[in-house]
Amino acid sequence: QKEVEQDPGPLSVPEGAIVSLNCTYSNSAFQYFMWYRQYSRKGPELLMYTYSSGNKEDGRFTAQVDKSSKYISLFIRDSQPSDSATYLCAMGRGSNYQLIWGAGTKLIIKP
Amino acid sequence: GAVVSQHPSWVICKSGTSVKIECRSLDFQATTMFWYRQFPKQSLMLMATSNEGSKATYEQGVEKDKFLINHASLTLSTLTVTSAHPEDSSFYICSAPQGKKGGTEAFFGQGTRLTVV
Repeated sequence: QKEVEQDPGPLSVPEGAIVSLNCTYSNSAFQYFMWYRQYSRKGPELLMYTYSSGNKEDGRFTAQVDKSSKYISLFIRDSQPSDSATYLCAMGRGSNYQLIWGAGTKLIIKP
Repeated sequence: GAVVSQHPSWVICKSGTSVKIECRSLDFQATTMFWYRQFPKQSLMLMATSNEGSKATYEQGVEKDKFLINHASLTLSTLTVTSAHPEDSSFYICSAPQGKKGGTEAFFGQGTRLTVV
């Protein structure tokens, strides 16, 4: 079993829809959680960073962490074609800088 | 946020030659950098951890003699693909972590698309 599970998709939704992206993990030692967005042939860019259970909102993006269920989500409201990309979840623990990555979900927003 | 610059962004080389990729942290010091490889439609695969002033730590299955890593300063790590073969063609990405409240944040370079012909 992988430490982090993420459905690779692709996930295709119409413009304006609410998108839900998810990751599950098995190691309860993970303390901080991140969502990255990666456009084709580019390096990943950080979208959201959280280190506690609950919700964190930034514009159209909301990151949700449920440590008891070992489940994290990223919600995108009012999705736009420019949101089409691969979204990767990542998580880490303590002072160890190494992150454990999900496989990435390819998201397609149809105009 | 912090900036990590990776160069070159793409390179084509002949089989048997070596290619050097640079990763620089522009506005912060990075004692540790990570090198990843990414195949099309797949996630990031950690190759090695680059440590300033000491030897790199390689992940299982990664040939240290083929992928030479040098971290000579607090702002520069290099990855050299030696005796490149077509199967080495891939997207290589570096990242440098920066500590923040609760943990760490990883900043990524732009990536290098390597094509070996």
